[in-house]
Amino acid sequence: EAGVVQSPRYKIIEKKQPVAFWCNPISGHNTLYWYRQNLGQGPELLIRYENEEAVDDSQLPKDRFSAERLKGVDSTLKIQPAELGDSAVYLCASSGAGPSYNEQFFGPGTRLTVL
Amino acid sequence: QKEVEQDPGPLSVPEGAIVSLNCTYSNSAFQYFMWYRQYSRKGPELLMYTYSSGNKEDGRFTAQVDKSSKYISLFIRDSQPSDSATYLCAMLSGGSNYKLTFGKGTLLTVNP
Repeated sequence: EAGVVQSPRYKIIEKKQPVAFWCNPISGHNTLYWYRQNLGQGPELLIRYENEEAVDDSQLPKDRFSAERLKGVDSTLKIQPAELGDSAVYLCASSGAGPSYNEQFFGPGTRLTVL
Repeated sequence: QKEVEQDPGPLSVPEGAIVSLNCTYSNSAFQYFMWYRQYSRKGPELLMYTYSSGNKEDGRFTAQVDKSSKYISLFIRDSQPSDSATYLCAMLSGGSNYKLTFGKGTLLTVNP
């Protein structure tokens, strides 16, 4: 079974440029999460989706960040415009239903560097 | 005070040693307790998942939860160089405030 797929793996951009990250969750997982992990820190939740609905986006900086999961499968996270402080690893995770709902499986992440 | 406190280390041990990793927390709403392992330039991988106070064992790994003290531990027996990674504790609050909160992670190096 394929795990969570993310692309690109690495992205280097200049400040004020836009950037987008893509995530394909594990097949059958209805819940999808985007996290940001700063250097030397644990991941912090940005947004949680149940199917195509964003059920928790309270930690998403909405002035510059946006996310979508149009068909309830793949998801895209966008930053526009990027700032120096956005340099981090952006992780996507997914979880299944029932007893496995709390078990989040993470992708490898996209490492963003803003110059 | 942060909701989850974890000593970032780094921790360096010889192969075969017993490793003890710990976290404390302040939020009584946390119901589930996890340990993730994260290799360099990889995503976190779920190692252990517990709900109640007490011990849970899986091979060389034992997770311990003490809800009365708000303290969790992960023990690794007979540590191997392949165990070298960052270990993240994580705690889950349920209900309307469903959220996984991570510690900073402890960097472990097991020397052959």
